[in-house]
Amino acid sequence: DAMVIQNPRYQVTQFGKPVTLSCSQTLNHNVMYWYQQKSSQAPKLLFHYYDKDFNNEADTPDNFQSRRPNTSFCFLDIRSPGLGDAAMYLCATSRDFSSSLYEQFFGPGTRLTVL
Amino acid sequence: QKEVEQNSGPLSVPEGAIASLNCTYSDRGSQSFFWYRQYSGKSPELIMFIYSNGDKEDGRFTAQLNKASQYVSLLIRDSQPSDSATYLCAVTLGTGGFKTIFGAGTRLFVKA
Repeated sequence: DAMVIQNPRYQVTQFGKPVTLSCSQTLNHNVMYWYQQKSSQAPKLLFHYYDKDFNNEADTPDNFQSRRPNTSFCFLDIRSPGLGDAAMYLCATSRDFSSSLYEQFFGPGTRLTVL
Repeated sequence: QKEVEQNSGPLSVPEGAIASLNCTYSDRGSQSFFWYRQYSGKSPELIMFIYSNGDKEDGRFTAQLNKASQYVSLLIRDSQPSDSATYLCAVTLGTGGFKTIFGAGTRLFVKA
């Protein structure tokens, strides 16, 4: 089945220790997104890729970086995690930007714990 | 600041009743409207989408859109305990095409 896969599902890191979260998709979608979601809050868009074009949200901290080496994979790098970065990180994809194709498909998420 | 507002709940309904979930949005030019269901500790999954004013029905779910009032709702008929989850309203803005803004969600509890 076509899907969005995230690894690992649970990640524990130490304060200040870099961590990388990965996302892969078999949907062949052009757009990939990274969201941060904290308990009882809305998913917050960090950045997205349209094909290889990277778009950063204005309020995304510099501590967060992303890479998309090919259509299928996208990575979220947190260079120096702080306690406030503990959250669920959601990867999502969408086929394109035309109005009938805005639906986003989410991966299962990675729960990040910062000690 | 573009916003999507939802009552956080919890909304509690008995099994078999109709659950009504509401959402308002601030960007008048918004084009696409989605309802996602999110179980605790899981990722959002799409329930319904609607683009035009009026009602759209899919099984036990009905989405209603009123662009003039900037209001979108989700009705769940014959509510089941398995419907207990957080329902996220998401709105795609009319400018900058791709950006979708999510509400914080309404927690629904269906009592058996």
